[in-house]
Amino acid sequence: QVQLVESGGGLVKPGGSLRLSCEASGVTFSDYYMSWIRQAPGKGLEWVSYISRNANIIYYADSVKGRFTISRDNAKNSLYLQMNSLRAEDTAVYYCARFASGSSAWYFDYWGQGTLVTVSS
Amino acid sequence: QSALTQPASVSGSPGQSITISCTGTSSDVGGYNYVSWYQQHPGKAPKLMIYDVSSRPSGVSNRFSGSKSGNMASLTISGLQAEDEADYYCSSYTSSSTLVFGTGTKVTVL
Repeated sequence: QVQLVESGGGLVKPGGSLRLSCEASGVTFSDYYMSWIRQAPGKGLEWVSYISRNANIIYYADSVKGRFTISRDNAKNSLYLQMNSLRAEDTAVYYCARFASGSSAWYFDYWGQGTLVTVSS
Repeated sequence: QSALTQPASVSGSPGQSITISCTGTSSDVGGYNYVSWYQQHPGKAPKLMIYDVSSRPSGVSNRFSGSKSGNMASLTISGLQAEDEADYYCSSYTSSSTLVFGTGTKVTVL
C-alpha cells in the first residue's frame, strides 16, 4: 500500500531555515507528480508547491515563492521542501501529497500524516 | 491566488441531504473540470472524496456526489450519517498552472 511519511518539522526562529522530507513507499515514486500542502493551526488547507516526475516543472504559491524550494530524489523515493526566511505565518502542519496518475490528474489521491513546523522566537 | 469560497458551516439531520458550494472564477472552477473535494476529520490527513467535478474514487460511498455550474461547484452528501461530520474542502486547478483550495466547510450532523 502507498505510504507517505513526512519528517523534519520542528521549532525554528523567524528568519531561520528548515528542510522537510517525505519518503514514499509502496509506489513507483518517479511515476508521479508530488506536492506540498500546509494547514495553519485551526485554519484551512493551502497549496504550497508541486513538482513533476523528473523535476522539470515546478510551481509555487505566491506566499512562498522565492523562499521555499521543492525538490525530489527519485532514487531515494523522496520529496523535499527547503524553507528559508521563515515567518510566523509559515507555522502549519505540512502535508506531502501525491497527484493521481494521468496527464490531467489535478487531484491528490494519497496524503502523508503531516509534520508540524512552528516559527516562533 | 485567492481561496475558493465555501460556506463556513452546513448542518443536517441524519438521513437528510446537504449541499456544500464552492465558488471560484473563470480562471479556476469555471475554466476547468478539475475540481476535487476532500474530507478531513480532526487531527487526520485529508481524504479524497470527489475528483474531476463528479468522479468518485473506489471505496468512497455513493452518497457523495459532485457537480458544477459555471464558476460554482457543489458537493452533495445524501443520507447524512454521523461519520460524515468533518471538514470539507474543494480544490481546483487554475489558469496559472497552480492549485487552489476552498476556505473549508464544517459539516455538523444534528
